[in-house]
Amino acid sequence: RKEVEQDPGPFNVPEGATVAFNCTYSNSASQSFFWYRQDCRKEPKLLMSVYSSGNEDGRFTAQLNRASQYISLLIRDSKLSDSATYLCVVTHTGGFKTIFGAGTRLFVKA
Amino acid sequence: NAGVTQTPKFRILKIGQSMTLQCTQDMNHNYMYWYRQDPGMGLKLIYYSVGAGITDKGEVPNGYNVSRSTTEDFPLRLELAAPSQTSVYFCASSWTGELFFGEGSRLTVL
Repeated sequence: RKEVEQDPGPFNVPEGATVAFNCTYSNSASQSFFWYRQDCRKEPKLLMSVYSSGNEDGRFTAQLNRASQYISLLIRDSKLSDSATYLCVVTHTGGFKTIFGAGTRLFVKA
Repeated sequence: NAGVTQTPKFRILKIGQSMTLQCTQDMNHNYMYWYRQDPGMGLKLIYYSVGAGITDKGEVPNGYNVSRSTTEDFPLRLELAAPSQTSVYFCASSWTGELFFGEGSRLTVL
């Protein structure tokens, strides 16, 4: 079983749609959680951190459920520029070991 | 602002050759990482380091070696290149939380 699992997609949505991505992790000792965005043939970049209380950054909302070992990302009012791969990321071992999920591809169409 | 610098950006190797991928960061980060990303796949952790002189294996360490003699540098060595090592290699550094990535090194083994 992979340590971090994501639905690979692709998700094809029209502009303005709301789309949700899910991620599960297997290591109950995981300590920190993030969503990264990766554009085609580019390096990943941090989108947002994920907290148990949930956090929001503009059109993006992230949630963490430690009991279910589940992380989610909600994108509202999708833009063409949101087209990318979204990577779920988990750290453990004192916060040093950082493991990436395989990513979920999103295509936003006009 | 250089951030994380990787060299070379592209390289073609013959089977059995050896090479070193260089990674340097100028942010004084303690934590450094090497990942590989195969086409259409997520990032897999090869090795990581929590400080000078300290390294540890990640998810896929076989066929690679690392060293961390200084805070700034974290080279990755491939001793006997194999076609299975054809991939994009990303180096990253972190203080706490967010990973900062280099632009990647594209390696082809023929």
